[in-house]
Amino acid sequence: KAGVTQTPRYLIKTRGQQVTLSCSPISGHRSVSWYQQTPGQGLQFLFEYFSETQRNKGNFPGRFSGRQFSNSRSEMNVSTLELGDSALYLCASSPWQGSPEAFFGQGTRLTVV
Amino acid sequence: AQRVTQPEKLLSVFKGAPVELKCNYSYSGSPELFWYVQYSRQRLQLLLRHISRESIKGFTADLNKGETSFHLKKPFAQEEDSAMYYCALSGGNQGGSEKLVFGKGTKLTVNP
Repeated sequence: KAGVTQTPRYLIKTRGQQVTLSCSPISGHRSVSWYQQTPGQGLQFLFEYFSETQRNKGNFPGRFSGRQFSNSRSEMNVSTLELGDSALYLCASSPWQGSPEAFFGQGTRLTVV
Repeated sequence: AQRVTQPEKLLSVFKGAPVELKCNYSYSGSPELFWYVQYSRQRLQLLLRHISRESIKGFTADLNKGETSFHLKKPFAQEEDSAMYYCALSGGNQGGSEKLVFGKGTKLTVNP
């Protein structure tokens, strides 16, 4: 079974731009969560999607948004990028909403210059 | 509010020595606790869950509700245990969704 796949692996953007990150969950998994990882704040929950609906949201500004498609693939979008958005963005998939175990992708490293 | 605290950013032990990575949590309900591990250049992966009460790679962790702790222990550390360890908590909300709240991690180095 293929693991969680995130694309692209690395991205460099300039301030003010927007970016879209993609996540393909493990086949058969229907829940996708996104996390931001930084040296200072560690791993912080962004949002969770299940059945194309956002089920839970972390404390991030509205510039951070996401969506899930009918095949469970998910995208997250960050608009009006700031230097502080530089981070590793991790996607995790679970078989169902509320499943206790999350399977993580390798992440997308976003650098904002 | 849900919170996970890992008091040690760095922990260094010698091979064969016992190791304990501390984790304390704050949660009003009945949480589910996890330890995740990230080896160098690998993805974050689940090491163990408190409800399974199993030993993985020689590691065990016991949930102590009185002390709100979930410390990770191994009696004899190995060099391959060197990694970043994250304690995480999952608690439901009204919608039934259970996000993971992570501690900031402890970097374990096992020296030869």
